[in-house]
Amino acid sequence: NAGVTQTPKFQVLKTGQSMTLQCAQDMNHNSMYWYRQDPGMGLRLIYYSASEGTTDKGEVPNGYNVSRLNKREFSLRLESAAPSQTSVYFCASRSVQGNTEAFFGQGTRLTVV
Amino acid sequence: EDQVTQSPEALRLQEGESSSLNCSYTVSGLRGLFWYRQDPGKGPEFLFTLYSAGEEKEKERLKATLTKKESFLHITAPKPEDSATYLCAVRGAAGNKLTFGGGTRVLVKP
Repeated sequence: NAGVTQTPKFQVLKTGQSMTLQCAQDMNHNSMYWYRQDPGMGLRLIYYSASEGTTDKGEVPNGYNVSRLNKREFSLRLESAAPSQTSVYFCASRSVQGNTEAFFGQGTRLTVV
Repeated sequence: EDQVTQSPEALRLQEGESSSLNCSYTVSGLRGLFWYRQDPGKGPEFLFTLYSAGEEKEKERLKATLTKKESFLHITAPKPEDSATYLCAVRGAAGNKLTFGGGTRVLVKP
């Protein structure tokens, strides 16, 4: 099994450009998450989707939008990229059957110049 | 709001020198405390889940413990391959999300 797959792995954007980060999981998980990781700040939750058809804001949602396309896929969109959005982005998924851990993708390293 | 603080931020150890990492938390209705390991350029990899005060879990040279206010990750006789960033996270009763601490970067020198 692939687990959680993120694309692309690396991306450079110019300020003001838009892009969508893709995430797919093959573990039949209900919940999916988008985090960003900056040096010394750990992982901060951007948005999450508790189940197909629902999305909720996390700690740092400004400048981002999400779409839960189906049970497998959860995308993160930057409409107008800013240098402050330079970060490493991680997607994660979790089953709601029991109190289970989240599984993470390998990350997307995004640089906005 | 759930909060997690990890200390120290960085730890340099000699091979075989045991030590402990701290994770202090405040959460409304703890549903689980999670430890992850993260290697450079990779996503976090799950290590342990602890659910209630007094619980302990072990895996090779790692042992995680939990009290009502903090968790410790003990590394016994570490090896260079234990070098990584260790992340702590909590899930509270309020929702479905994990709140992470800032992590502890561990470097084990041979």
